Amino acid sequence: QVQLQESGPGLVKPSETLSLTCIVSGGSISGYYWSWIRQPPGKGLEWIGYIYIGYFNSETIRYNPSLKSRVTISAETPKNQVSLQLTSVTAADTAKYYCARHPVVAAFAHGFDYWGQGTLVTVSS
Amino acid sequence: QSALTQPPSASGSPGQSVTISCTGTSSDVGAYNSVCWYQQHPGKAPKVIIYEFTKRPSGVPDRFSGSKSGNTASLTVSGLQAEDEADYYCSSYAGSDNLVFGGGTKLTVL
Repeated sequence: QVQLQESGPGLVKPSETLSLTCIVSGGSISGYYWSWIRQPPGKGLEWIGYIYIGYFNSETIRYNPSLKSRVTISAETPKNQVSLQLTSVTAADTAKYYCARHPVVAAFAHGFDYWGQGTLVTVSS
Repeated sequence: QSALTQPPSASGSPGQSVTISCTGTSSDVGAYNSVCWYQQHPGKAPKVIIYEFTKRPSGVPDRFSGSKSGNTASLTVSGLQAEDEADYYCSSYAGSDNLVFGGGTKLTVL
């Protein structure tokens, strides 16, 4: 059974960089898309971006246009983990951050089939 | 403001049917066969219950069904049960490798 576990600091100061890691167990990160999605407390979901890990270490990365200038998603295949960095954070970036897997189907058509439990990040001084 | 429009709330009594709408545009819902619906219970991660507008993943009860009309997708929950009380979100591909979600609908089973 594929399991995803997000981790990282629960508190980040304004203007600093948020860094999270998603460790995947029970399967390889190769051959799938891995997205980061966030959810502010009491609010809806927002897709942040994805990374696709090809079997020959090729990568494809795409970001939500509204966050593109501040986001970096990367992967470490030997560690079977995916990472998120979000720079210049403000209180508006306070949210639960999820990593999620989606199969290699065009246009996100099959949705996210595995999710982590999410990690709450609060931006505050 | 979310890219897709959902009603903030919906309700029904046990055994009844409830339909939740998800309205987009000709650039997202109306353009691609990629609308998904997610169910999220409090404190839990979302779970996909409908994909490609009408298909159910294995294990999802057939009480959940999806449909499409123009730029609007709909989720119908038939034979409401107490455990269906949750938040429901739609999502759609919006082109250019971008995904958008609806604002969510809180379903209450009376």
